[in-house]
Amino acid sequence: NAGVTQTPKFQVLKTGQSMTLQCAQDMNHNSMYWYRQDPGMGLRLIYYSASEGTTDKGEVPNGYNVSRLNKREFSLRLESAAPSQTSVYFCAIATGNQPQHFGDGTRLSIL
Amino acid sequence: AQSVTQPDIHITVSEGASLELRCNYSYGATPYLFWYVQSPGQGLQLLLKYFSGDTLVQGIKGFEAEFKRSQSSFNLRKPSVHWSDAAEYFCAVGANLENTGNQFYFGTGTSLTVIP
Repeated sequence: NAGVTQTPKFQVLKTGQSMTLQCAQDMNHNSMYWYRQDPGMGLRLIYYSASEGTTDKGEVPNGYNVSRLNKREFSLRLESAAPSQTSVYFCAIATGNQPQHFGDGTRLSIL
Repeated sequence: AQSVTQPDIHITVSEGASLELRCNYSYGATPYLFWYVQSPGQGLQLLLKYFSGDTLVQGIKGFEAEFKRSQSSFNLRKPSVHWSDAAEYFCAVGANLENTGNQFYFGTGTSLTVIP
């Protein structure tokens, strides 16, 4: 999806390993979001950043940390990965009341 | 609290048949409403949005949706389904909250299968 770039696209981790998911945008939107998508559960908000320099917890923040490095970048970190964190992770951006734009997702498996 | 319900987990329709996907929301003020489509292995793509005004909104790929305030619904419709419409569909509500900014609430999705 144009405007939102997520890296990596795929990742396999072992339990206890750490990693950072990266999200970068080129649309100059103020707000950035991290969701996880699990079968039958839709999208659940992990963390969001309403503007540069601010971050807030969403519905399922436990086990995750985030950094809004600048207006363009919003990273999600798993400090000690657990099998329950196996999921597809989406970054989204928005500004004002306009709809969100989504990245293509990161597919994360934790063994 | 804000919430979105998509009562149909999975729907199967024949190609060429009409389609209606249901969405009900709970929100105290006038909502901003969206429908997204997700193809396998892809991100979410916006189909259409409702902010205000005409309650029947047109979107891409021949989809439309009708906002009914009295029923708290925003159902998605298409007169004639194509095989390429097979995907997952998500309804979402946008809320501009005073202390937390813009928030979006998603339904759990409806998976559409199209049979020839």
